[in-house]
Amino acid sequence: NAGVTQTPKFRVLKTGQSMTLLCAQDMNHEYMYWYRQDPGMGLRLIHYSVGEGTTAKGEVPDGYNVSRLKKQNFLLGLESAAPSQTSVYFCASSSGLMNTEAFFGQGTRLTVV
Amino acid sequence: SQQGEEDPQALSIQEGENATMNCSYKTSINNLQWYRQNSGRGLVHLILIRSNEREKHSGRLRVTLDTSKKSSSLLITASRAADTASYFCATPRDMRFGAGTRLTVKP
Repeated sequence: NAGVTQTPKFRVLKTGQSMTLLCAQDMNHEYMYWYRQDPGMGLRLIHYSVGEGTTAKGEVPDGYNVSRLKKQNFLLGLESAAPSQTSVYFCASSSGLMNTEAFFGQGTRLTVV
Repeated sequence: SQQGEEDPQALSIQEGENATMNCSYKTSINNLQWYRQNSGRGLVHLILIRSNEREKHSGRLRVTLDTSKKSSSLLITASRAADTASYFCATPRDMRFGAGTRLTVKP
């Protein structure tokens, strides 16, 4: 089983460039989440979705946009990358809002120079 | 601010010893979850404890929950080098995690 797959795994961007991170899950989960993790810190929630066509802001949404056009995919976009967005990004999905376990992808390591 | 906050931030023990880490949270919950993160990897779910449970076991893991104190603890018994990882608690409602406890188990 693939579970949660993130694409790409690594990326280097120049300041001002844009990119989209893709998260795909094959478990028919309703809920999907995007986090960033900085060195020595926990995960901070960027945006989340409670179902196809819906998105909501998390703790640190500024500079990011998301879309959930299909239930299995949750896209995270950076319109104009900044060095402060250098981080490891994790996607997760769950069948309920934390009443069941969340499954995480392996992460995308993004460096903005 | 984080909903769940782990304590201590770092813990170093010898193989075979027990490791205890704590989590405090702010609002009412219906369950609390613990996750493990190996270096550079995604989080893996360990155990979920519901608000009407006081203690739960899974293999070498023992989790307690005290809703009156808004706290939980994770005990790993007879630790192994492979238990070296960061451990996070998470509470529902907003899917937020604390900064985690970094556990090092020395062989």
